[in-house]
Amino acid sequence: QQQVKQSPQSLIVQKGGISIINCAYENTAFDYFPWYQQFPGKGPALLIAIRPDVSEKKEGRFTISFNKSAKQFSLHIMDSQPGDSATYFCAASEDGGATNKLIFGTGTLLAVQP
Amino acid sequence: GAVVSQHPSWVICKSGTSVKIECRSLDFQATTMFWYRQFPKQSLMLMATSNEGSKATYEQGVEKDKFLINHASLTLSTLTVTSAHPEDSSFYICSALQGDQPQHFGDGTRLSIL
Repeated sequence: QQQVKQSPQSLIVQKGGISIINCAYENTAFDYFPWYQQFPGKGPALLIAIRPDVSEKKEGRFTISFNKSAKQFSLHIMDSQPGDSATYFCAASEDGGATNKLIFGTGTLLAVQP
Repeated sequence: GAVVSQHPSWVICKSGTSVKIECRSLDFQATTMFWYRQFPKQSLMLMATSNEGSKATYEQGVEKDKFLINHASLTLSTLTVTSAHPEDSSFYICSALQGDQPQHFGDGTRLSIL
């Protein structure tokens, strides 16, 4: 019940296209859902995060869509660029959101082709 | 912005030795730090939660005598891998909490045990 399932495992997108990564969870106590970007040899960096009281959040080219009833959330990267090529992780936490321990998804390796 | 620094970034040592990894919050005080382990092309797995001035809380399956965590100050937490063996080789990442802000991650330490 503590798992966060992420798909796809890898994704190839053409420059300018839309990258879509999906995550699903079971624990209804989760109340904070961040997305992280990780480059090789580096730690993860927070991209964008959402709480269950909204269905969508947009920051620049990154959008999170959240479906509470389906217990699913997704990351959309608009106008994907080669510099976006990285591994993306969704995560979830409960009881206070950002301050509590994070459960990470399995990761998606994104390659944006020029 | 909040910066978390890890040292060393890469370490190679012989089997049987102990290795200490430092995690520092450079421009903020962190009452809580987290230690994660990441295998190649896999997700981040939380090892333990470290609170300043108290004993760390280890996740199920993590040997507390193997992975010693000390959080002696509000800006420094250390992870010591004792009597390291090749199976301990991994990428170790720490994160730190600044108030109620999201976790800030370090750039990780790549540990290779020969």
